Amino acid sequence: NAGVTQTPKFRVLKTGQSMTLLCAQDMNHEYMYWYRQDPGMGLRLIHYSVGEGTTAKGEVPDGYNVSRLKKQNFLLGLESAAPSQTSVYFCASRENGQGTPSQHFGDGTRLSIL
Amino acid sequence: GENVEQHPSTLSVQEGDSAVIKCTYSDSASNYFPWYKQELGKRPQLIIDIRSNVGEKKDQRIAVTLNKTAKHFSLHITETQPEDSAVYFCAAKIPGTASKLTFGTGTRLQVTL
Repeated sequence: NAGVTQTPKFRVLKTGQSMTLLCAQDMNHEYMYWYRQDPGMGLRLIHYSVGEGTTAKGEVPDGYNVSRLKKQNFLLGLESAAPSQTSVYFCASRENGQGTPSQHFGDGTRLSIL
Repeated sequence: GENVEQHPSTLSVQEGDSAVIKCTYSDSASNYFPWYKQELGKRPQLIIDIRSNVGEKKDQRIAVTLNKTAKHFSLHITETQPEDSAVYFCAAKIPGTASKLTFGTGTRLQVTL
């Protein structure tokens, strides 16, 4: 049981390049989230999903797209990377139903845009 | 939407002393308040949480208190140890929002020998 796994762990891109970050969870969680973490700004929600085939915008969605084709995977895409997207990206998932709404985080992806 | 403010941004205490981190939230409907600890280069990890129907919760050396009237909640760490050094984040959740969390900006706690 690996929990929440993010790939890659590090990546350097040039401005204008595209890439996809992968988040996979093996806990059968319905809800999944993508955050970015910048110094002094905490964690900000980019997009989230409440189940397979669904996605919704969070607090800072501009410049990102997401897909949830399979329940266990949540992909975050950058179509045309910009230096302002240099950040650490965290994926999280939460338990189903009416249980504790705590979120479980992956190890993060450190992304630099030159 | 919800807004969460967290203070202080940095906190230095001597080993064995207590540490208190405070957060305020704006939406009185918020009903769940977790605290996360993030060590350098690691993932945020849940250390304690509290629901709005409870005023206080303890787990060994850590405790969280909630004042719904004032819309603030606090993390208390007693008998601090060097391994408590990390960044701590508070968060709040509004019901019916797909369990979205709004995070505070974090507190860097340093425990000195």
